[in-house]
Amino acid sequence: DGGITQSPKYLFRKEGQNVTLSCEQNLNHDAMYWYRQDPGQGLRLIYYSQIVNDFQKGDIAEGYSVSREKKESFPLTVTSAQKNPTAFYLCASSTFDHEQFFGPGTRLTVL
Amino acid sequence: QKEVEQDPGPLSVPEGAIVSLNCTYSNSAFQYFMWYRQYSRKGPELLMYTYSSGNKEDGRFTAQVDKSSKYISLFIRDSQPSDSATYLCAMNRGSARQLTFGSGTQLTVLP
Repeated sequence: DGGITQSPKYLFRKEGQNVTLSCEQNLNHDAMYWYRQDPGQGLRLIYYSQIVNDFQKGDIAEGYSVSREKKESFPLTVTSAQKNPTAFYLCASSTFDHEQFFGPGTRLTVL
Repeated sequence: QKEVEQDPGPLSVPEGAIVSLNCTYSNSAFQYFMWYRQYSRKGPELLMYTYSSGNKEDGRFTAQVDKSSKYISLFIRDSQPSDSATYLCAMNRGSARQLTFGSGTQLTVLP
């Protein structure tokens, strides 16, 4: 089955720790995206990548980093510089048209 | 002012009712319009995708775009309890893949 997988489903982070969220897709999509969702605020774009080895900052990139070494994979690192990381993180992918397909999400909680 | 405004609800309707969900936007460059459905603690799933003004129908769902008024709507006919979810509108400019989302409307269909 084609789709987008995210892991882990739940993640807990202590203050000052970096954590990495995984996103993998087998849809052969070129573009991949990371969004953050907070209650009542919809989705906000963190980073996106249109091709391998290239990525751009979205609206709220501060405190986050990404890599795109393979077409299928787009991991997101939440660094200790992100002061309010507790949120629901969603990965998406798309082809050259505009329809984006989402993974199941990772819920990150800071302890 | 946000680029995309969406009434957060919550909206409760009886089973079988016609539901109308709406978004307004301020950026006249938006050309592609989408509606996503998101169940609690899940990733959004694409429901409808339209380009420019007009109507598009898919089963019980109709998406309507009025670019002159910068207003989009999603109608759900014969609503079912399984339609209970948060509905997100999203849109982007023709040359860019980044989506701008509304904050979502929480819908409950009562049996």
